[in-house]
Amino acid sequence: SAVISQKPSRDICQRGTSLTIQCQVDSQVTMMFWYRQQPGQSLTLIATANQGSEATYESGFVIDKFPISRPNLTFSTLTVSNMSPEDSSIYLCSGLRGYNEQFFGPGTRLTVL
Amino acid sequence: SQKIEQNSEALNIQEGKTATLTCNYTNYSPAYLQWYRQDPGRGPVFLLLIRENEKEKRKERLKVTFDTTLKQSLFHITASQPADSATYLCALGERTGNQFYFGTGTSLTVIP
Repeated sequence: SAVISQKPSRDICQRGTSLTIQCQVDSQVTMMFWYRQQPGQSLTLIATANQGSEATYESGFVIDKFPISRPNLTFSTLTVSNMSPEDSSIYLCSGLRGYNEQFFGPGTRLTVL
Repeated sequence: SQKIEQNSEALNIQEGKTATLTCNYTNYSPAYLQWYRQDPGRGPVFLLLIRENEKEKRKERLKVTFDTTLKQSLFHITASQPADSATYLCALGERTGNQFYFGTGTSLTVIP
């Protein structure tokens, strides 16, 4: 199975600032995704990170708020911009091996004051 | 609107019994359905996948069924153990695209 790491594992940020989360996969994956998980809730897909092109965002999520990069097959970043307390959540990246087995990182726990 | 709903309440069962978790969906056309396990403070871990043309899939003590007419999947853990205590998530993969959409999750506690 693929190993996925995320940095930072947690952070506490001030309102109005931005945080960039990094996701590194130990081997090539076909797709990479970013999810958000509110405490006690399920996962909500933010976007699909596309290598070398703009990410594909789900309804309710926009590039200006959540810019995503994926410069190669094993690395992606998600930025949470102009943060507010409502952005406090766990952010998870995942990689897809083949077309249907998905591996998740440990998550980044973000608190916005 | 699109929904993926799992057992509305937490599930508590006695060790050794079979746990049955449900996943119901509306306004999706999944090509396959997956089940994941999530422990507190960790990312989900993939358990099983079942395709739309499969009725049942087994893996050790786990069994998944998929009924596209009822728009439902059942996830069974036989001979349950306290170590099976976790939150279990179902996720749908649609025919177009490679995105996955997750259910609300069910918290399972196996009591020794």
